Amino acid sequence: DTGVSQDPRHKITKRGQNVTFRCDPISEHNRLYWYRQTLGQGPEFLTYFQNEAQLEKSRLLSDRFSAERPKGSFSTLEIQRTEQGDSAMYLCASSLRSAGNTIYFGEGSWLTVV
Amino acid sequence: AQKITQTQPGMFVQEKEAVTLDCTYDTSDQSYGLFWYKQPSSGEMIFLIYQGSYDEQNATEGRYSLNFQKARKSANLVISASQLGDSAMYFCAVYAGGTSYGKLTFGQGTILTVHP
Repeated sequence: DTGVSQDPRHKITKRGQNVTFRCDPISEHNRLYWYRQTLGQGPEFLTYFQNEAQLEKSRLLSDRFSAERPKGSFSTLEIQRTEQGDSAMYLCASSLRSAGNTIYFGEGSWLTVV
Repeated sequence: AQKITQTQPGMFVQEKEAVTLDCTYDTSDQSYGLFWYKQPSSGEMIFLIYQGSYDEQNATEGRYSLNFQKARKSANLVISASQLGDSAMYFCAVYAGGTSYGKLTFGQGTILTVHP
């Protein structure tokens, strides 16, 4: 069990550029979540997948954001035409559908848009 | 919709003493789960403890226990025998059952500082 891993851990990008984050969940976890956390706040839900199906998206997930989970394993979160307001930590979490009390988070990917 | 309130922006405790971090929640669902996470300065969210709404016993995990008072909608975290490594941000979170399973709503967090 290697835990939830995220890559890259830190990303600095210029406004207007596209960025992509990757999340590898705990193996055999069929549910995967993306959250966003800004400084001084708790994480906010963005979206979640059960296997490869994206079952829910938050209103926070604007058209510039897209998440995928092809084949139901790793997931990517892409932000197009980044804005300074996108600067935040993007957290990935995973869980087993049959075990709701085990939602594990990764270390997060810090994004700074300059 | 769910809501979590953590009224203590910061707490201080002496090493080896116990500390209680407050959390109240609001949900209209009968089935829900309550979580506590620890977030050190490195940023990772570390799962500490879970309490299901139908669990009659308070959850315990090592030095962590959850004081669950359902009628008051309260889910306070008790850390016994504090250690310097406990200094971190602590978040309380709730999810409601059904299709919102796993969709956590977090509070604002409490920064805990453990003094030697």
